Amino acid sequence: GAGVSQTPSNKVTEKGKYVELRCDPISGHTALYWYRQSLGQGPEFLIYFQGTGAADDSGLPNDRFFAVRPEGSVSTLKIQRTERGDSAVYLCASSLDPSGYEQYFGPGTRLTVT
Amino acid sequence: QQQVKQSPQSLIVQKGGISIINCAYENTAFDYFPWYQQFPGKGPALLIAIRPDVSEKKEGRFTISFNKSAKQFSLHIMDSQPGDSATYFCAASENDYKLSFGAGTTVTVRA
Repeated sequence: GAGVSQTPSNKVTEKGKYVELRCDPISGHTALYWYRQSLGQGPEFLIYFQGTGAADDSGLPNDRFFAVRPEGSVSTLKIQRTERGDSAVYLCASSLDPSGYEQYFGPGTRLTVT
Repeated sequence: QQQVKQSPQSLIVQKGGISIINCAYENTAFDYFPWYQQFPGKGPALLIAIRPDVSEKKEGRFTISFNKSAKQFSLHIMDSQPGDSATYFCAASENDYKLSFGAGTTVTVRA
């Protein structure tokens, strides 16, 4: 079956612009996660959705970052007033079990802020 | 700050050799310890995971050793193959969903 898909695969934007990154989880997976991976580092947790609601958004770095999952499936990570420090690979993962076992990751969106 | 410290940063092993990657943590509330494998341009893929109630778990050529008192765990890759060349991440979680990752180890297997 299809895995987690993320679009776009690459996004280049200018400092100060707004971007949206999309995640399509595996069908039937109720839990969805966003992580950010900087070059040479492990992924860092951003936010976790259980269904439509954000169960834990403690990893969002500041109020420029926001994520939604209005119908409990597709999720969008939104970044306002982008900064060069936001450049990273943004990974989405989903899991069948709400406890989070076996998080399946997508290929990521590489965001470059110039 | 990094909650899980991983070493070495990189390693080179000959085909057929053993790769060993070590991780240490401080948070005693962690109760789930997975290892992920990542190839360039791909997302991490779950390799093997362990709970602290066991000291060792083996799946094929991959073994996790867990030392609860020392707050350390390690991944052993036996009979390393060129296809194992990838970046490996240890991780830990106290609530089953919020994974804290190590910085990663790049493994290169020489044929």
